[in-house]
Amino acid sequence: AQSVTQLDSQVPVFEEAPVELRCNYSSSVSVYLFWYVQYPNQGLQLLLKYLSGSTLVKGINGFEAEFNKSQTSFHLRKPSVHISDTAEYFCAVSDPNYGGSQGNLIFGKGTKLSVKP
Amino acid sequence: DAGVTQSPTHLIKTRGQQVTLRCSPKSGHDTVSWYQQALGQGPQFIFQYYEEEERQRGNFPDRFSGHQFPNYSSELNVNALLLGDSALYLCASSLDHLHEQFFGPGTRLTVL
Repeated sequence: AQSVTQLDSQVPVFEEAPVELRCNYSSSVSVYLFWYVQYPNQGLQLLLKYLSGSTLVKGINGFEAEFNKSQTSFHLRKPSVHISDTAEYFCAVSDPNYGGSQGNLIFGKGTKLSVKP
Repeated sequence: DAGVTQSPTHLIKTRGQQVTLRCSPKSGHDTVSWYQQALGQGPQFIFQYYEEEERQRGNFPDRFSGHQFPNYSSELNVNALLLGDSALYLCASSLDHLHEQFFGPGTRLTVL
């Protein structure tokens, strides 16, 4: 079964510094990959997704992620963070061979990004 | 355009009781998925409904059941509540099962 590991449970960073949130998944077969953000007391918002094509994916709010098949990784990056980026970030995977869908998302445990002034 | 809506926002129940949570999908979406997010954890997939049928199911006991109505709205029912069922329950909708999911704000269930 697929699994997702987010290597850091908490990442503190100063405003305007770069950040990388790490994500590894278990399977080497083709997968769809996602990053979601969750602000306090809210649902999940999609930041970006990889389905196929270019391994560098650009998302909303200046975030980007790079799919690395050989390392089964999908790390999220932002070159300069803002206070408003403080939130919890979840990496997720779905198996396109399981009904060909973007459903049945398997999430990591999340990384809390804390941006300090 | 209203996004995914869920009701109620908060709910408190006692062990052994039954609960029903409701979800209205984003306009034009016909597929609804439910997730359970325990405190400090990532969401876990419960099941997905498409064309009023349960299409996929995660590793949850039969106490968790659902329904999808002809207008694509959905209910999640949990019977014989346990303390461990306390969580944020998230509903997500999509334009059929092949497309991106949009999440609602969730229902916070507390079981005492």
